[in-house]
Amino acid sequence: EIVLTQSPATLSLSPGERATLSCRASQSVGSYLAWYQQTPGQAPRLLIYDASNRATGIPARFSGSGSGTDFTLTISSLEPEDFAVYYCQQRSDRVWTFGQGTKVEIK
Amino acid sequence: QVQLVESGGGVVQPGMSLRLSCVASGFNFGVYGMHWVRQAPGKGLEWVAVIGHDGNYEESADSVKGRFTTSRDNSKNTMYLEMNSLRAEDTAVYYCVRDLGRGNYGDYWGQGSLVTVSS
Repeated sequence: EIVLTQSPATLSLSPGERATLSCRASQSVGSYLAWYQQTPGQAPRLLIYDASNRATGIPARFSGSGSGTDFTLTISSLEPEDFAVYYCQQRSDRVWTFGQGTKVEIK
Repeated sequence: QVQLVESGGGVVQPGMSLRLSCVASGFNFGVYGMHWVRQAPGKGLEWVAVIGHDGNYEESADSVKGRFTTSRDNSKNTMYLEMNSLRAEDTAVYYCVRDLGRGNYGDYWGQGSLVTVSS
């Protein structure tokens, strides 16, 4: 099973700042990686798929990059609604695995 | 608009069974693969199972294999999760998720159904 490790566990930033989140895979996943955002009490929302493609309706301040084992989600300028938990996810042999999550909190 | 509505959650004792349903609307249900993903209280996301668009394949996580079964009825736009031999560690919110395509990602998620396994 491919293990995804996210860092940092918590990111403390102010609105307007840039957020950089990391996801590392235990073996190559090519570009088959997604990022999700989850706010308290809500279901996750797909942000990025295939490492760098924004999902429908996702603002341009969200961008993804990387391939192989190292991936990054960047939020160029944090809006108040962006403070949430972010998960990366990959699929291998029809099985999904998720990272443990990065919480972006208000500093 | 795409909607996924889960139901059937509740409180059950260890060893008992429960069936969750997910009713889909706003899209052609029969052409999409579907997944179940769960989240234990205060924890991260755990993938549970997938079923092909016409039920032609099914796969599940090792943690539920042999106990949980996924099925679907495309005539009713509904997917099911039959959960047997429930354990305390199965306590979670269970989300119904539409597959974006190719089995890789989930583009629409329901609001979830809480299952609590407790004596």
